[in-house]
Amino acid sequence: GESVGLHLPTLSVQEGDNSIINCAYSNSASDYFIWYKQESGKGPQFIIDIRSNMDKRQGQRVTVLLNKTVKHLSLQIAATQPGDSAVYFCAVAGRLGSARQLTFGSGTQLTVLP
Amino acid sequence: NAGVTQTPKFRVLKTGQSMTLLCAQDMNHEYMYWYRQDPGMGLRLIHYSVGEGTTAKGEVPDGYNVSRLKKQNFLLGLESAAPSQTSVYFCASSGGRTTDTQYFGPGTRLTVL
Repeated sequence: GESVGLHLPTLSVQEGDNSIINCAYSNSASDYFIWYKQESGKGPQFIIDIRSNMDKRQGQRVTVLLNKTVKHLSLQIAATQPGDSAVYFCAVAGRLGSARQLTFGSGTQLTVLP
Repeated sequence: NAGVTQTPKFRVLKTGQSMTLLCAQDMNHEYMYWYRQDPGMGLRLIHYSVGEGTTAKGEVPDGYNVSRLKKQNFLLGLESAAPSQTSVYFCASSGGRTTDTQYFGPGTRLTVL
């Protein structure tokens, strides 16, 4: 099966700096990857996704990079703001017939310092 | 458009008691999922459904049952709660043009004493 690991359980950045959160996965056949943000007491919130036919995808202040050669995924947040403080999970989507099973990493707690 | 909602938000049970968690979605999604989240860990899939009337086991199904009698609702049942089932439970749904993307509810925090 799939396993997903994160490089750092916690990350502190100064407000206005860029943040980079990393993730590694094990199954080279994985074709869909998602980043979620989870604030305290809330459910995971979709941030951005990327499919295996892409190397990079950009959203509003966020960029996801996919390196299939080393099975590595990263989330970059530009100009980090206090509202970005949360736990960030990467998830790798495996197939369950027509459905998808998400395998989550253990999360990185991002703290934005004033 | 409320998205995915879950009831109740909190619940405390004694060992051996039963309960049902309700998930509802108003996005007309075909797929629905139940996950549990334990401290310091990512979410793990319990059961899922690919449509009304269908359910299937996920990664950690033991001790749970599910039903999908209506497309918009997905129920998770604990017949005889155990302390090991103390967790936060999240429901998710996916469908429409982007069937791969799962959208999560706010969660139910369950404590089994």
